[in-house]
Amino acid sequence: DAKTTQPNSMESNEEEPVHLPCNHSTISGTDYIHWYRQLPSQGPEYVIHGLTSNVNNRMASLAIAEDRKSSTLILHRATLRDAAVYYCIRGSNYKLTFGKGTLLTVNP
Amino acid sequence: DTAVSQTPKYLVTQMGNDKSIKCEQNLGHDTMYWYKQDSKKFLKIMFSYNNKELIINETVPNRFSPKSPDKAHLNLHINSLELGDSAVYFCASSQVTRHVTQYFGPGTRLTVL
Repeated sequence: DAKTTQPNSMESNEEEPVHLPCNHSTISGTDYIHWYRQLPSQGPEYVIHGLTSNVNNRMASLAIAEDRKSSTLILHRATLRDAAVYYCIRGSNYKLTFGKGTLLTVNP
Repeated sequence: DTAVSQTPKYLVTQMGNDKSIKCEQNLGHDTMYWYKQDSKKFLKIMFSYNNKELIINETVPNRFSPKSPDKAHLNLHINSLELGDSAVYFCASSQVTRHVTQYFGPGTRLTVL
């Protein structure tokens, strides 16, 4: 039970922003929200994580709703290399429970 | 300077055989993991070791035995391989003081014939 809900797939155009949503309505106060992605034929790759505040790093931004029941991963300018399955995970120490994720297709 | 490496990348074997997959990390992390990704692409944790001690064992058949000779290595040994063991196996590592940022290896595709 991944305990998060994501769309099965999304499509974007190259160099446009992408907003990947995630619902985690039963999240506890101590659970972090993590995003990983898996490029074709590769292992999962850490993208970003946060607890309550919005977070930015060189790969993406994470916007967390005030009630923490949902979050959005933002890729500011999608590239073809961003085509992957994106996983939103409620994490506690040591254990990541992956769901089905969102398959992001980036069109040239 | 690969952070998490696995060998072999591909493994094809017959039912009933015993095989091992090796994993090494050079990140100085003290926690290592094994995940299984089946044909439907679900990624599930199997084991986690912290400082060579088992801390997570997710209802994995006892044909699977992880072995951690030191903090940098976590090997997976599988006895009496079955068709259902065919999958991609990923090793990962993390630093316990950082909140679950895990670094994954490239995976080992196991095919049982």
